[in-house]
Amino acid sequence: EAGVAQSPRYKIIEKRQSVAFWCNPISGHATLYWYQQILGQGPKLLIQFQNNGVVDDSQLPKDRFSAERLKGVDSTLKIQPAKLEDSAVYLCASSLAGDSYEQYFGPGTRLTVT
Amino acid sequence: DQQVKQNSPSLSVQEGRISILNCDYTNSMFDYFLWYKKYPAEGPTFLISISSIKDKNEDGRFTVFLNKSAKHLSLHIVPSQPGDSAVYFCAASAWGNKLVFGAGTILRVKS
Repeated sequence: EAGVAQSPRYKIIEKRQSVAFWCNPISGHATLYWYQQILGQGPKLLIQFQNNGVVDDSQLPKDRFSAERLKGVDSTLKIQPAKLEDSAVYLCASSLAGDSYEQYFGPGTRLTVT
Repeated sequence: DQQVKQNSPSLSVQEGRISILNCDYTNSMFDYFLWYKKYPAEGPTFLISISSIKDKNEDGRFTVFLNKSAKHLSLHIVPSQPGDSAVYFCAASAWGNKLVFGAGTILRVKS
């Protein structure tokens, strides 16, 4: 079974630029999560999708971050414009159902904002 | 507010000995707890979990203990192996809602 795929693996941008991350979850997983992990901290949930609907985006900075999950499969997370404090690893995870505690994580995208 | 705390940033243990990783939480509504393991350049992988109706769960070399009155859980690894060297995250959930993660503990198992 293929795992969660993410791209790119690394991205360096200047502040005020835009960036987008892509995630392809495990086939058949209805729930998709985007996390932000700042160095020295644990992953923090940004947004949770159930199929293509948003379940929780309470911690998503909506003035600059946006996410979509078209057709309930792939997802894209965008930051526009980026700030220095957005430097982090962005992790995508998926699970079979929304209350499934076993989430399967992708390798993440390391973003550096200079 | 840090609802899940892992107060030890790192732990070093000799191969074959026991590793004990600790986690404290403040939210009394948490009813499910998990441990994830993370190697460099990889995403976290699920290791073991425990429901609040239990006080112990065992899976091979890994055992998680939950003390609800103290709002404390611990992960025991016996015997520790060099391949166990990784970052360990404690996570908690209330009623199936989002996972709240601790900051992680770096475990180094020396051979």
